[in-house]
Amino acid sequence: AQSVTQPDIHITVSEGASLELRCNYSYGATPYLFWYVQSPGQGLQLLLKYFSGDTLVQGIKGFEAEFKRSQSSFNLRKPSVHWSDAAEYFCAVVLSGGYQKVTFGTGTKLQVIP
Amino acid sequence: EPEVTQTPSHQVTQMGQEVILRCVPISNHLYFYWYRQILGQKVEFLVSFYNNEISEKSEIFDDQFSVERPDGSNFTLKIRSTKLEDSAMYFCASSARGETQYFGPGTRLLVL
Repeated sequence: AQSVTQPDIHITVSEGASLELRCNYSYGATPYLFWYVQSPGQGLQLLLKYFSGDTLVQGIKGFEAEFKRSQSSFNLRKPSVHWSDAAEYFCAVVLSGGYQKVTFGTGTKLQVIP
Repeated sequence: EPEVTQTPSHQVTQMGQEVILRCVPISNHLYFYWYRQILGQKVEFLVSFYNNEISEKSEIFDDQFSVERPDGSNFTLKIRSTKLEDSAMYFCASSARGETQYFGPGTRLLVL
């Protein structure tokens, strides 16, 4: 079955430490890949996206993600986390070809400690 | 930067009442969507809308739900007779060409 998996429900990191949030997908073909962030009580903000081409994509707020076809993964990274990065992060996919629904992972809640 | 807006931000209603959630998509976008997020659960697709008709709907989107684009700017979700389990955050999204969707801030619906 098609799915998006975020294996980590909660992650706690110290401010200034590096961060990697994991995402794996299971689809017949490579879908379009996204990361969204949801701050408490807020909507979903697009961090970055991958359609094709360079497998390392840069996003807003200093985030980047790397697509690895062999591992069906699209992990999100940030070299140095700031307290304001505390939020819930959702990996999401859209089937190639566009206009399709977004399928979200279950989310990873990030806590940042001083 | 253009944004998707949604009103109201919060709505409390009695079970069995009708509610209409409103969205103003980004202008010149052609694809419109509704999603919901029950507290503590993941975001789920409800319906997509293009060219003035539903293009896809999930099994959640039953006869109690309807969508409409009454004019050139608004996109609404109506729940005819709300149930307790309809309590959720409802997100509207829009897309220019159907591949990248931009989400609004959401409407938190509480059914009592």
